[in-house]
Amino acid sequence: AQSVSQHNHHVILSEAASLELGCNYSYGGTVNLFWYVQYPGQHLQLLLKYFSGDPLVKGIKGFEAEFIKSKFSFNLRKPSVQWSDTAEYFCAVRGNAGNMLTFGGGTRLMVKP
Amino acid sequence: ETGVTQSPTHLIKTRGQQVTLRCSSQSGHNTVSWYQQALGQGPQFIFQYYREEENGRGNFPPRFSGLQFPNYSSELNVNALELDDSALYLCASSLVGSSLHGYTFGSGTRLTVV
Repeated sequence: AQSVSQHNHHVILSEAASLELGCNYSYGGTVNLFWYVQYPGQHLQLLLKYFSGDPLVKGIKGFEAEFIKSKFSFNLRKPSVQWSDTAEYFCAVRGNAGNMLTFGGGTRLMVKP
Repeated sequence: ETGVTQSPTHLIKTRGQQVTLRCSSQSGHNTVSWYQQALGQGPQFIFQYYREEENGRGNFPPRFSGLQFPNYSSELNVNALELDDSALYLCASSLVGSSLHGYTFGSGTRLTVV
């Protein structure tokens, strides 16, 4: 069975600080990887996804993520966060055995102005 | 393009009752998945419907059931509600058959069981 682990449950940063959120997954086969963001009271929105090719993926709003296959990781980064990035971030994995997404527990990010 | 819409947005039910949640998938999508997101946790996969049949199920008991209609909309039914069923229920649609398909999520239905 596949699983996803997000080690940082709560992160507090000041504006302009750099962000890196960790995501590790457990799955033996080919995976598709996703990062979603959930702003307060809103639906899950896709930040970026990795299916194949260049392991450094760029997404919306200045976010990027790097797939490191040897470490089973897909960490999310942003060089300079803004107050508007305050939200909950979810890493998710889809294995090749089906169409289901397995989510991590989420990381709640608070950016102080 | 239209997004995924879910109804109702909020619902309060009593333990033991039954509930039906509804989802209209994004235009052009043919698959609907349902997820349960308990407070402070990530979404957990309940099941998926494709061509009006369930074709994947997570670790949820049979009292969680669903339907998909010819227009690709879907219902999630939960019987014999328990207090632990209180959660945000998310619907996601996708296009199976597209090699790089992703998912579009609805805003969810907040179910409270008292």
